[in-house]
Amino acid sequence: EAGVAQSPRYKIIEKRQSVAFWCNPISGHATLYWYQQILGQGPKLLIQFQNNGVVDDSQLPKDRFSAERLKGVDSTLKIQPAKLEDSAVYLCASSLEGPKEFFGPGTRLTVL
Amino acid sequence: QQQVKQSPQSLIVQKGGISIINCAYENTAFDYFPWYQQFPGKGPALLIAIRPDVSEKKEGRFTISFNKSAKQFSLHIMDSQPGDSATYFCAAGGYNKLIFGAGTRLAVHP
Repeated sequence: EAGVAQSPRYKIIEKRQSVAFWCNPISGHATLYWYQQILGQGPKLLIQFQNNGVVDDSQLPKDRFSAERLKGVDSTLKIQPAKLEDSAVYLCASSLEGPKEFFGPGTRLTVL
Repeated sequence: QQQVKQSPQSLIVQKGGISIINCAYENTAFDYFPWYQQFPGKGPALLIAIRPDVSEKKEGRFTISFNKSAKQFSLHIMDSQPGDSATYFCAAGGYNKLIFGAGTRLAVHP
């Protein structure tokens, strides 16, 4: 069974630029999560989808972050414009049922 | 009520020793307590998890001890090996959502 796929693996941008990350969850997993993991900290949930509907986006900075999950499968997370403090690893996870989450390898974003 | 506090922040253990990492939660509605292992450059991988209806769960060298009344749980790694060197995260959750601890960086010296 293939795991959660993410791309790109690394991205370097300058502040005020835009960036987008892509996630393909494990086949059949209805729930998809985007997390932000700042160096030395645990993952922090940004947004949670159930199929293509948003369940929780309470910690998503909506003035600059957006996410969508079209057709209830793949998802994209966008940052526009990026700030220095957005430098982090962005993790995508999916689950079949309940909170048993499987993570992708992450995208390491560096904002200069 | 949503915090999960993890300690220690870092841990050094000799090969063959026991590694112990502790976590405490606040929300009594949480009913799922996993531990994740993360190697540099990789995403967290589910290691072992427990539900509050049992006080202990063992899988190989890894054991979770759970104390519902104290709202605490811990990970014990028996016979620690250099390959166990990684960052470990506890988490606590309810329906479809997890709150993560800050992580413990474990180094197992040969």
